[in-house]
Amino acid sequence: DQQVKQNSPSLSVQEGRISILNCDYTNSMFDYFLWYKKYPAEGPTFLISISSIKDKNEDGRFTVFLNKSAKHLSLHIVPSQPGDSAVYFCSFTQGGSEKLVFGKGMKLTVNP
Amino acid sequence: EPEVTQTPSHQVTQMGQEVILRCVPISNHLYFYWYRQILGQKVEFLVSFYNNEISEKSEIFDDQFSVERPDGSNFTLKIRSTKLEDSAMYFCASGQIYGYTFGSGTRLTVV
Repeated sequence: DQQVKQNSPSLSVQEGRISILNCDYTNSMFDYFLWYKKYPAEGPTFLISISSIKDKNEDGRFTVFLNKSAKHLSLHIVPSQPGDSAVYFCSFTQGGSEKLVFGKGMKLTVNP
Repeated sequence: EPEVTQTPSHQVTQMGQEVILRCVPISNHLYFYWYRQILGQKVEFLVSFYNNEISEKSEIFDDQFSVERPDGSNFTLKIRSTKLEDSAMYFCASGQIYGYTFGSGTRLTVV
């Protein structure tokens, strides 16, 4: 299933700097986009989402950007904090479905 | 903050045996889900459950799998005859699509 790609498996940034996590998708039917983060030995935790009618959504330090024409989703975390170190998954769904399609995840490490 | 609780945290079973994974969803949620993550792979949707019936299932969710809400609080996933390739983390979730809540998972190891 190659509908969702998180091409970089890991990212390391310094505390206080911006973290940018990227995700590409191929299915033009996706209409709702979500980011989850996951700590070891825990389940995924919902972080932020955006619908296809918007191109940006902010929640505190987290901003999600959607470029529908490029089928590209990104998550910006600024300023990054050591507690943000986790695996981040982009996920997608389409109208009428309860199913989330996940990317493979990207490990973010924020160094103090 | 309300939690989705899964038990056991780790289950080891012999190939061919039946296993039941248990979940207690958040009490006022109406939609329930099972996902799994095979080591090194993506989190994959298995099934969604609403109003005491399956509302959607993936191609992974074959006749070996079943779900049940045996009482007002529990939500279970049964695998009838486990195979080696069923070894994975199994996550229960509840809520609605716009950011549902996952449990911490059950690590199933089939030997």
